[in-house]
Amino acid sequence: ETGVTQSPTHLIKTRGQQVTLRCSSQSGHNTVSWYQQALGQGPQFIFQYYREEENGRGNFPPRFSGLQFPNYSSELNVNALELDDSALYLCASSLGWDRRTLSSYEQYFGPGTRLTVT
Amino acid sequence: GENVEQHPSTLSVQEGDSAVIKCTYSDSASNYFPWYKQELGKRPQLIIDIRSNVGEKKDQRIAVTLNKTAKHFSLHITETQPEDSAVYFCAATHLREWGGSNYKLTFGKGTLLTVNP
Repeated sequence: ETGVTQSPTHLIKTRGQQVTLRCSSQSGHNTVSWYQQALGQGPQFIFQYYREEENGRGNFPPRFSGLQFPNYSSELNVNALELDDSALYLCASSLGWDRRTLSSYEQYFGPGTRLTVT
Repeated sequence: GENVEQHPSTLSVQEGDSAVIKCTYSDSASNYFPWYKQELGKRPQLIIDIRSNVGEKKDQRIAVTLNKTAKHFSLHITETQPEDSAVYFCAATHLREWGGSNYKLTFGKGTLLTVNP
């Protein structure tokens, strides 16, 4: 098991509401990426945070926003929820890069938050 | 942007047989291709990956091959076991020259592998 945790595990919201999902990255990791996984589909990249700054964004509308805190934990906020937002939301934490080895580092996924919008 | 196609969507094999899952990608700049295994209700886990400077990589019963010219890569599982049953995702991304994990993954739609005892 990775050290990446997410909360809550499950969430039911009504269309139009707002939701905040949380991700606690593995110790020492400074990069958090968020993915949306609809039922029966592969994960889709939402955005990434590196040392508290947004470091890339996928094809998601502005009502999807995020934050990364000094301890590198992260939040995903979704405003004006739509039915199609129902999905498993995964965060993945990683180290960034190591100047000594110049090697890439695996993105470690958390268990996900299952969001249902009714 | 990158687009990854994965086939087949479902694959059923007998225990001990081999399984092959194929993916194609569209962006010639992609140079890193990880494979993830996701068991029901669990998180995706990296099982093997390959960079574009390598044509093949093996790890025990799992191997991945890459054909850069044709822009396709494949996962090969030999001597399958019931515990190999899961959904497998291929992914592609452009890794910067200096490495790092500051990349976004583009995933295929997944293959549900069932290994029958």
